[in-house]
Amino acid sequence: DTGVSQNPRHKITKRGQNVTFRCDPISEHNRLYWYRQTLGQGPEFLTYFQNEAQLEKSRLLSDRFSAERPKGSFSTLEIQRTEQGDSAMYLCASSFGTSSNNEQFFGPGTRLTVL
Amino acid sequence: AQSVTQLDSQVPVFEEAPVELRCNYSSSVSVYLFWYVQYPNQGLQLLLKYLSGSTLVKGINGFEAEFNKSQTSFHLRKPSVHISDTAEYFCAVIPPGFQKLVFGTGTRLLVSP
Repeated sequence: DTGVSQNPRHKITKRGQNVTFRCDPISEHNRLYWYRQTLGQGPEFLTYFQNEAQLEKSRLLSDRFSAERPKGSFSTLEIQRTEQGDSAMYLCASSFGTSSNNEQFFGPGTRLTVL
Repeated sequence: AQSVTQLDSQVPVFEEAPVELRCNYSSSVSVYLFWYVQYPNQGLQLLLKYLSGSTLVKGINGFEAEFNKSQTSFHLRKPSVHISDTAEYFCAVIPPGFQKLVFGTGTRLLVSP
């Protein structure tokens, strides 16, 4: 399967701990996106990369959140000092090209539960 | 700010019946429009998209959607649903000049025998 993969699929942590998620995009996709989905809501945009450059960050992405995409391949999303409000599904997507209307392919997500 | 409204949080329907899932967006300028489907424990999958041209767009699995600029709507339809169509459906837009998808809150389609 050559789709977008995300690890781990589930993460349970205690409040105040740091967590890191990984996303592996489809090979040769130059764009990578992070979204967050809470219960009963649609996904909300967090940030996106074109190759290794982080081009846009949402106001939802507080300074406790940091995303990287070294070498323009996989990406990591780290949350420091987690809070219960961070509990959500974190979705990664990738696309090829520079046009905004290119299809974004989504991974299965990482479900975070903060106790 | 761009927003998408999906008024129906849940739509129950019997197998082989037609269905329409409603989507309205707020924009005075042209946007790109999308419908995604999310099956349990799976990622979002693109059903169809409208970029320009013909207002009737056909997608996968027998779904189609019609873009109506005057009503700022992009409703999703299927003439005959299957049990396997049970899933969450999301309408989304990409505002002009942006790269991000803006999603609605989703509509859960429940197909029963």
